Amino acid sequence: QVQLVQSGAEVKKPGASVKVSCKASGYTFTSYDINWVRQATGQGLEWMGWMNPNSGNTGYAHKFQGRVTMTRNTSISTAYMELSSLRSEDTAVYYCAREIGYSYGSVWFDPWGQGTLVTVSS
Amino acid sequence: DIQMTQSPSSLSASVEDRVTITCRASQSISSYLNWYQQKPGKAPKLLIYDASSLQSGVPSRFSGSGSGTDFSLTISSLQPEDFATYYCQQSYSTPRTFGQGTKVEIK
Repeated sequence: QVQLVQSGAEVKKPGASVKVSCKASGYTFTSYDINWVRQATGQGLEWMGWMNPNSGNTGYAHKFQGRVTMTRNTSISTAYMELSSLRSEDTAVYYCAREIGYSYGSVWFDPWGQGTLVTVSS
Repeated sequence: DIQMTQSPSSLSASVEDRVTITCRASQSISSYLNWYQQKPGKAPKLLIYDASSLQSGVPSRFSGSGSGTDFSLTISSLQPEDFATYYCQQSYSTPRTFGQGTKVEIK
């Protein structure tokens, strides 16, 4: 079945970087964009950006530009999200999600990874 | 950026109640609107895409409607497993913004 499996929880100090992985299986990895979404405890969903695994093209939310980098390794069907200059406000669960659909605009996220908790604390 | 506003932010309902959640976009997004369900400690799950198309495997008591700027998600007969938080999301443009969520609680 189609699934995305993310790496385990991380604890980082302020100012450090974190790199979360998202391994795809059950479909052709290069055929669908991967999006990243985060959720602080008790809060809503915040979209961070997307990556095209075929071309490597990316697009980031303005809030994260300059701090986030999305990459991939097609040989192992894995996407990565690296966030730098971490601060306490970055403590959240980070999700990857496959973007699938029919055409421009007619797209949705399915499935989602199980989430990776990143805790930023001194 | 397109802003998505859900209402209410939370609601209390009983099993077998009919529940409707609304979502308003700050500009027209055609029918490019999706709904997700999230249970505590779990990843979001797709319920409805393109405003009214039911995702495979999702019970038929869930339905979506709307176009342009105003949308709704209806649960025709609330079941115990439906108590969760629901999010709308626009896919008309990036950033792919979400509503703030509607928490459905047991009355």
